[in-house]
Amino acid sequence: QQQVKQSPQSLIVQKGGISIINCAYENTAFDYFPWYQQFPGKGPALLIAIRPDVSEKKEGRFTISFNKSAKQFSLHIMDSQPGDSATYFCAASTPEYGNKLVFGAGTILRVKS
Amino acid sequence: ETGVTQSPTHLIKTRGQQVTLRCSSQSGHNTVSWYQQALGQGPQFIFQYYREEENGRGNFPPRFSGLQFPNYSSELNVNALELDDSALYLCASSPRGGSDEQFFGPGTRLTVL
Repeated sequence: QQQVKQSPQSLIVQKGGISIINCAYENTAFDYFPWYQQFPGKGPALLIAIRPDVSEKKEGRFTISFNKSAKQFSLHIMDSQPGDSATYFCAASTPEYGNKLVFGAGTILRVKS
Repeated sequence: ETGVTQSPTHLIKTRGQQVTLRCSSQSGHNTVSWYQQALGQGPQFIFQYYREEENGRGNFPPRFSGLQFPNYSSELNVNALELDDSALYLCASSPRGGSDEQFFGPGTRLTVL
């Protein structure tokens, strides 16, 4: 019930293309859904986050789409650049569990120039 | 504003030994969470400290223990190290108890031989 399932495991996108990563959850108590970007040897960096009361949030080239009824959310990276090549993690949390983050398994994104 | 810092960067220990990892939270943040990230996986929640008290614990044995100091910095102690403890240990700080935004440090890479 506390799992967050992320797909795909890896993704190769051409420069300028759209990268799409999907996540699904079971626990309807989750009320905060962040995405993190992690480069090799570094800690995860908070990219963008959404709450269930909105269906979409956009920050620059990054957009989160949220489907509450399907219990799914996704990250879209528009105009993908080689510098976006990294591992992306979705996560979810709820005050019921002290706001601990439950992470997906990660998606390795490679943007080809 | 100083971000989350962790020390040491890398550490090599042998099975059965004990280790202490340190974390300084971001300025103004009073909550610290620790996560373990095994190679190729998402971070797993170990525990959280708020105002020097443990405020939630994940599925980790008691040989994983922690401490938070009055200045909100924190330590993670692991006793009787096992080979499976080899991982990146991440510290994340939050602006206040109950806040869902968490900002990660660069991590400490622990190798157990």
